[in-house]
Amino acid sequence: AQSVTQPDIHITVSEGASLELRCNYSYGATPYLFWYVQSPGQGLQLLLKYFSGDTLVQGIKGFEAEFKRSQSSFNLRKPSVHWSDAAEYFCAVGANSGYALNFGKGTSLLVTP
Amino acid sequence: GAVVSQHPSRVICKSGTSVKIECRSLDFQATTMFWYRQFPKQSLMLMATSNEGSKATYEQGVEKDKFLINHASLTLSTLTVTSAHPEDSSFYICSARALAVAYEQYFGPGTRLTVT
Repeated sequence: AQSVTQPDIHITVSEGASLELRCNYSYGATPYLFWYVQSPGQGLQLLLKYFSGDTLVQGIKGFEAEFKRSQSSFNLRKPSVHWSDAAEYFCAVGANSGYALNFGKGTSLLVTP
Repeated sequence: GAVVSQHPSRVICKSGTSVKIECRSLDFQATTMFWYRQFPKQSLMLMATSNEGSKATYEQGVEKDKFLINHASLTLSTLTVTSAHPEDSSFYICSARALAVAYEQYFGPGTRLTVT
């Protein structure tokens, strides 16, 4: 069965510092992997996705993620965090992009001045 | 880009009443829509998969008689919470799978349900 683990419930970074949010997945075949961001009381915004090809994926808002099959990981990174990046981040896996997604528990990002 | 709307965005209802939430794909056709539920500070959990013209498929533990799903057209799915109770208070999010565009799916903005 598919599963997603986000080991960090909360992360605090200083504005301008780099960020890495961890995501590990369990899936029998090649997974479809996604990162979403959710601001309080809002819906989900897709940051980026990986289906195949280049394992380093560029997304919106300066985010990128790297798929590492050997580590079953799909970590999200940003070189310089802005205060507006404070939100909840969800990693998700699906059989393909059109199937229901299995979400991780989320990582809450706090950005300090 | 593809847009999915949900209506209402917020609803408060009394315990024992029913409430209907609409999910619409505004500029594309969706044969499949998914309904998720998100409790405060928690992740999204799939409730059911809604296919146009057929019965919805519910996840284990989700009461199909309580959460009625109707996917009447290629652009509209509705979730009706019947005989709502305070424990049904949650954030309900739908997503729609496009017919074209490599089976992309798009999320709605969510509906906050509060049962008093």
